[in-house]
Amino acid sequence: QTVVTQEPSVSVSPGGTVTLTCGLDSGSVSSTSYPTWYQQTPGHSPRTLIYTTNSRSSGVPDRFSGSILGNKAALTITGAQADDEADYHCALYVDSGTWVFGGGTKLTVL
Amino acid sequence: QLQLQESGPGLVKPSETLSLTCTVSDVSISASNFYWGWIRQPPGKGLEWIGNFHYGGTTNYNPSLKSRVSISVDTSKNQFSLKMKYVTAADTAVYYCAAGSGSTAWGPGMLVRVSS
Repeated sequence: QTVVTQEPSVSVSPGGTVTLTCGLDSGSVSSTSYPTWYQQTPGHSPRTLIYTTNSRSSGVPDRFSGSILGNKAALTITGAQADDEADYHCALYVDSGTWVFGGGTKLTVL
Repeated sequence: QLQLQESGPGLVKPSETLSLTCTVSDVSISASNFYWGWIRQPPGKGLEWIGNFHYGGTTNYNPSLKSRVSISVDTSKNQFSLKMKYVTAADTAVYYCAAGSGSTAWGPGMLVRVSS
């Protein structure tokens, strides 16, 4: 079974820049993994931020951006705000129509 | 704007079958280019992809759940459903239905507890 890796927790100062990553336990992430990023606040369903590596969903601020960095997908938040504090989940297309989620990253803004 | 709503029993006994329905509003399942699927989240844990389908195409399942899970569609009601057999306490989770082509819309989720 494919394992998708994410940092369990990351912190950033208000106004700062932070990058979260999403990797594969074996192999590299590429655009054909269609990396997708979701934001989830407590008690709410996830919200799609970024899909197909770097496309922003409607209404998502441009301080959120997606990319491939080395062999991982990355979500960068530039100018972090207090309400960016949330869990961030990534999902990768692996093969034969199947997807795998990472374990999620808890982002703290302090 | 696409809206999704999960429904079904919130409590299922061990070894029985979990059945959930997702009602879709404002978009026709059979007329759209969307993928329709299910994801779950055990309490305090991460998301797990269960499976999805594209109307008129194939249905795909998480290999680790494939032997117990089936997804079906009722176009007359614009709904799709999830069935999971032989549930255990490990299947206790919030179950989400979701849909999209690229960007995904999510339902609010429904907590299903497996307990006797």
